[in-house]
Amino acid sequence: DGGITQSPKYLFRKEGQNVTLSCEQNLNHDAMYWYRQDPGQGLRLIYYSQIVNDFQKGDIAEGYSVSREKKESFPLTVTSAQKNPTAFYLCASSWGQISTEAFFGQGTRLTVV
Amino acid sequence: DQQVKQNSPSLSVQEGRISILNCDYTNSMFDYFLWYKKYPAEGPTFLISISSIKDKNEDGRFTVFLNKSAKHLSLHIVPSQPGDSAVYFCAAIGSGTYKYIFGTGTRLKVLA
Repeated sequence: DGGITQSPKYLFRKEGQNVTLSCEQNLNHDAMYWYRQDPGQGLRLIYYSQIVNDFQKGDIAEGYSVSREKKESFPLTVTSAQKNPTAFYLCASSWGQISTEAFFGQGTRLTVV
Repeated sequence: DQQVKQNSPSLSVQEGRISILNCDYTNSMFDYFLWYKKYPAEGPTFLISISSIKDKNEDGRFTVFLNKSAKHLSLHIVPSQPGDSAVYFCAAIGSGTYKYIFGTGTRLKVLA
């Protein structure tokens, strides 16, 4: 079955440690996205990538980094520079065209203690 | 600057009645609008969409209306069912990019 997979579902890290969230898709989509959800804030765009080896900052990129070395993979690293990393992180992919929808993974709940 | 706004954080509706969820946007260059449904601790699932060249799109119990002059769209669910209880996000894309811009969501509760 085609889909988008995020792992792990729950992640705990100590303050000051970098952590990488995995996102893999087998939909052959060109574009991939990372969003963050906080209560009352909706979904805010962190980074997005329209093609392999290219990505752009979203609205809240500070403290995060990404790579897009393969079409199917778009990992997100939450660095120690991110002031409030505890959140629900969502990865999505799409065909990278205007009139199409984005498909989301099941999310990763990151808790920093 | 919030380009896509959902001003009602929550809505309660009786089962069988109509649910109307509203969304406003500020960027007139948006080309495509979408509605997503989300349950807690899960990813959003796509519900219905509409192109900026249309004013209505219908899919079963779900209808989306677009009023470009008012920069407003709405999602109608008829009849509402308890399983519709979730958070609904509207989103927009366009303006020369492929970014999906989301609103803050409206929590719908359908009462049995």
